[in-house]
Amino acid sequence: GAVVSQHPSWVICKSGTSVKIECRSLDFQATTMFWYRQFPKQSLMLMATSNEGSKATYEQGVEKDKFLINHASLTLSTLTVTSAHPEDSSFYICSALPRGAGTDTQYFGPGTRLTVL
Amino acid sequence: AQKITQTQPGMFVQEKEAVTLDCTYDTSDQSYGLFWYKQPSSGEMIFLIYQGSYDEQNATEGRYSLNFQKARKSANLVISASQLGDSAMYFCAMREGWSSASKIIFGSGTRLSIRP
Repeated sequence: GAVVSQHPSWVICKSGTSVKIECRSLDFQATTMFWYRQFPKQSLMLMATSNEGSKATYEQGVEKDKFLINHASLTLSTLTVTSAHPEDSSFYICSALPRGAGTDTQYFGPGTRLTVL
Repeated sequence: AQKITQTQPGMFVQEKEAVTLDCTYDTSDQSYGLFWYKQPSSGEMIFLIYQGSYDEQNATEGRYSLNFQKARKSANLVISASQLGDSAMYFCAMREGWSSASKIIFGSGTRLSIRP
């Protein structure tokens, strides 16, 4: 089946630093990728929709200058948390939509746990 | 307004019993899709089952079935013959519109615990 990887799987950083999270579709091309965040014991909240070769579409309340998304190729999207603070600590999950996908095919990565000290 | 409502924050079920996880949704679109995902403690999101708004038959995938009642706007997940490995968080989700590129909105989840 289709596989989506995320790197790193977990990261601990100091407050004020930037962290880059990669989302890769390993065996398919993805024109659209989605980035979610999940706080402990809560649901997934969509942050942004990333389309290859164009600017990401951010959900209301998500700071685009803080959460930089780059979808430079059909198999890679990156999320950079700039000047991270403890409140940015969360579980970040990406999903990828295969090119020419049917209505029920969106594949999730395993997630990245970010802890900001 | 809540688009996806899961009213059961937690459930305990005896192994081998069937379990129904409730989900109601709210949309004015005629075309939409409903999903159920399982999230074990590892955090990965595992796709379980999908129902399109125009599908007349209830979706089934192995031990999972989706009880789709369009007029009541409900999409309950039924797990037959529950197993210990079914213990996890379960999320109901909806995609509005016809495009598979439309965003998916998740409910608050139900934590299912299977007792041996």
